[in-house]
Amino acid sequence: RKEVEQDPGPFNVPEGATVAFNCTYSNSASQSFFWYRQDCRKEPKLLMSVYSSGNEDGRFTAQLNRASQYISLLIRDSKLSDSATYLCVVLPPASQGNLIFGKGTKLSVKP
Amino acid sequence: IAGITQAPTSQILAAGRRMTLRCTQDMRHNAMYWYRQDLGLGLRLIHYSNTAGTTGKGEVPDGYSVSRANTDDFPLTLASAVPSQTSVYFCASSGERANRQFFGPGTRLTVL
Repeated sequence: RKEVEQDPGPFNVPEGATVAFNCTYSNSASQSFFWYRQDCRKEPKLLMSVYSSGNEDGRFTAQLNRASQYISLLIRDSKLSDSATYLCVVLPPASQGNLIFGKGTKLSVKP
Repeated sequence: IAGITQAPTSQILAAGRRMTLRCTQDMRHNAMYWYRQDLGLGLRLIHYSNTAGTTGKGEVPDGYSVSRANTDDFPLTLASAVPSQTSVYFCASSGERANRQFFGPGTRLTVL
């Protein structure tokens, strides 16, 4: 099993749609979880951290299920500017290395 | 400088040549990282440094070396470039290991 796996994508959705991305991780002792956003030919940027109780930032909601080792990102009322690749990122325990990035899921929001 | 910068932006290199990719940050972050990003493979860690004077190997260190003489700079050297090192290289930094990583704009390297 790969360390961080994401939905293969691409997701093509109309403006205003709600879209959800899923991610699973293999190391049950992983400490922290993040979603990064990467625009085409640009560097990744932190979108939001993922907390155990779930967290929301405007139209974006992130959730974590430690029992199932599952992370999700929900985007409501999609905008054209949401078009990007979304990377699921996991931090293993301190002794086991640095951030592990998923391969990303590409989202394309159409007019 | 504001944040993290990389140079060059892009480079075409003949196989066998030596190349150093530069990375500088002005955020006084302790930790710095080098990644390569290839289509279908995502971001893979090459080398990292938790603090000035120390470095460590990531997932794909072969063919690359790094140094961390001071807090701000973290150059990546390809001693003898090969075509499989054609990639986009990102440098990143973070204040602590578990904190958000800030990425530079990347260097597009083509080895012919």
